[in-house]
Amino acid sequence: DGGITQSPKYLFRKEGQNVTLSCEQNLNHDAMYWYRQDPGQGLRLIYYSQIVNDFQKGDIAEGYSVSREKKESFPLTVTSAQKNPTAFYLCASSTYPGDPQHFGDGTRLSIL
Amino acid sequence: AQSVTQLGSHVSVSEGALVLLRCNYSSSVPPYLFWYVQYPNQGLQLLLKYTTGATLVKGINGFEAEFKKSETSFHLTKPSAHMSDAAEYFCAVSDRGAGNQFYFGTGTSLTVIP
Repeated sequence: DGGITQSPKYLFRKEGQNVTLSCEQNLNHDAMYWYRQDPGQGLRLIYYSQIVNDFQKGDIAEGYSVSREKKESFPLTVTSAQKNPTAFYLCASSTYPGDPQHFGDGTRLSIL
Repeated sequence: AQSVTQLGSHVSVSEGALVLLRCNYSSSVPPYLFWYVQYPNQGLQLLLKYTTGATLVKGINGFEAEFKKSETSFHLTKPSAHMSDAAEYFCAVSDRGAGNQFYFGTGTSLTVIP
């Protein structure tokens, strides 16, 4: 079955450490997205990519970085510059405008 | 820029009662509209969408929503709540741009009382 796979499901970060969240899709979608979810705040866009080797900042990109070297992969790195990284992170993908965004099951990041 | 307002961060209904979750958007042109459901520690699942055509849209699990352009609303309803409907619900709009960027409401947590 086609879908989006996020790993790991749970991740812990030490102070000063960078961590990378994986997102892989086999839906052949061009566009991919990273969201951060905090209680009561809905989903906030971190980065998105419409094509390989291109990506744009979303509303809360500071302290995060991404790459898009392959169509099916869009990893997110949470850097040590992100001072409040504890959240639920969701990856999504879509094709043309009007197509729903399809979501993975998320990664929950916590601070040790 | 688009914005989405979901009135009521928490809604409680009795099992078998009508479910009504409200969503209003602001946009200069009619956007694409979506409702998603999220269960604890899971991703979002699409319930239904409106792009063009009939303004009353039917989705999965007995949910439906009506697009009202004059009221800039896209409220979600279900005639009879089931215990399994307890979850977080998100309304979203897309601005029809090439990047298919979505704007989400802050969500409504639905509790179903037995």
